[in-house]
Amino acid sequence: EAGVAQSPRYKIIEKRQSVAFWCNPISGHATLYWYQQILGQGPKLLIQFQNNGVVDDSQLPKDRFSAERLKGVDSTLKIQPAKLEDSAVYLCASSFSGAGVDTQYFGPGTRLTVL
Amino acid sequence: EDQVTQSPEALRLQEGESSSLNCSYTVSGLRGLFWYRQDPGKGPEFLFTLYSAGEEKEKERLKATLTKKESFLHITAPKPEDSATYLCAVQAGTGGFKTIFGAGTRLFVKA
Repeated sequence: EAGVAQSPRYKIIEKRQSVAFWCNPISGHATLYWYQQILGQGPKLLIQFQNNGVVDDSQLPKDRFSAERLKGVDSTLKIQPAKLEDSAVYLCASSFSGAGVDTQYFGPGTRLTVL
Repeated sequence: EDQVTQSPEALRLQEGESSSLNCSYTVSGLRGLFWYRQDPGKGPEFLFTLYSAGEEKEKERLKATLTKKESFLHITAPKPEDSATYLCAVQAGTGGFKTIFGAGTRLFVKA
């Protein structure tokens, strides 16, 4: 079974530029999560999708971050404009249903450096 | 406020020296607790899910236990390949479930 795919693996940009990350979840998984992991910290949930709909985006900085999951499969996370403090690893995870206690499986992450 | 705290932040062991990692939590409506392993440059890898106090799960040299306030990850006779960051996460809430991660424990096992 293929795991969660993410691209790119690394990205370096200047502050105030925009950037987008892509995620393809495990086939058949209805729920998709985007996390931000700053060096030395645990992952912080940014947004959770159940199929096409947003379940939780309470910690997403909506003035600069946006995410979409068209057709309930792939998802993109965008940052515009980027700030220095956005330097982090962006992790995508998926789970089968999102209902009840549901194991999340993670992709390899995208390491973003903002200069 | 919901919170997950892991200790110690870092742990250095000799090969074969058993020890435990701690994850304490204060959340409303715990639904489950997860342990993940994360190697440098990789995403977290799932290890265990624990659902209720008193539950235990084992995998090779790892054993996870759960009480009403904390979880322990016991590592028996560790090997250098066990070196990684171990993350604890809780899923909690009523209705909608939130996932909250701790900051992790960085484990170094020396041969």
